[in-house]
Amino acid sequence: NAGVTQTPKFRVLKTGQSMTLLCAQDMNHEYMYWYRQDPGMGLRLIHYSVGEGTTAKGEVPDGYNVSRLKKQNFLLGLESAAPSQTSVYFCASSPGGPSTGELFFGEGSRLTVL
Amino acid sequence: GENVEQHPSTLSVQEGDSAVIKCTYSDSASNYFPWYKQELGKRPQLIIDIRSNVGEKKDQRIAVTLNKTAKHFSLHITETQPEDSAVYFCAASMKAAGNKLTFGGGTRVLVKP
Repeated sequence: NAGVTQTPKFRVLKTGQSMTLLCAQDMNHEYMYWYRQDPGMGLRLIHYSVGEGTTAKGEVPDGYNVSRLKKQNFLLGLESAAPSQTSVYFCASSPGGPSTGELFFGEGSRLTVL
Repeated sequence: GENVEQHPSTLSVQEGDSAVIKCTYSDSASNYFPWYKQELGKRPQLIIDIRSNVGEKKDQRIAVTLNKTAKHFSLHITETQPEDSAVYFCAASMKAAGNKLTFGGGTRVLVKP
């Protein structure tokens, strides 16, 4: 059981480049989330999904797109990267339904935009 | 939307002393309040949580209290040890809103031997 796996772990982009972060979970969880973590600002929700084929905006969605074509995968895309998107990105999943609400996090992906 | 504030941002304690971290939330509909611990370079991990129908919960050296009327909750760590050094985050969510957690800004705890 790998839990929540994120790829890549590290990436350096130039301004204007695009990229996709992949999150995969093998716990059959319904809900998935993408957060970004910046110093002193905690974790802020970018987008989330409450089931296959559904997505919704979080607190800081601008500049990002997401897709949940398969239940186990949640993709985060940056179409035109900006230096303000330099951050550590965490994917998380949650069982949903009558569960406790606990989020299970991936190891994080450190993105630097030059 | 929900807003969670956390204090202090840094906390230095002597080994064996207690540490207290406080959080306030804005949305009275929030009903789930977890605390996560994040060690340097690692992922956040749940250490304890509490629901709005409970006022206090304890697990060995850590405890959480909730005051729904005042909309604040606190984490208490007793008999601190060097391995308690980490960043701690409080959070709040509504189960009906997709379980999406709103996090506080974090508290960096340093336990000095």
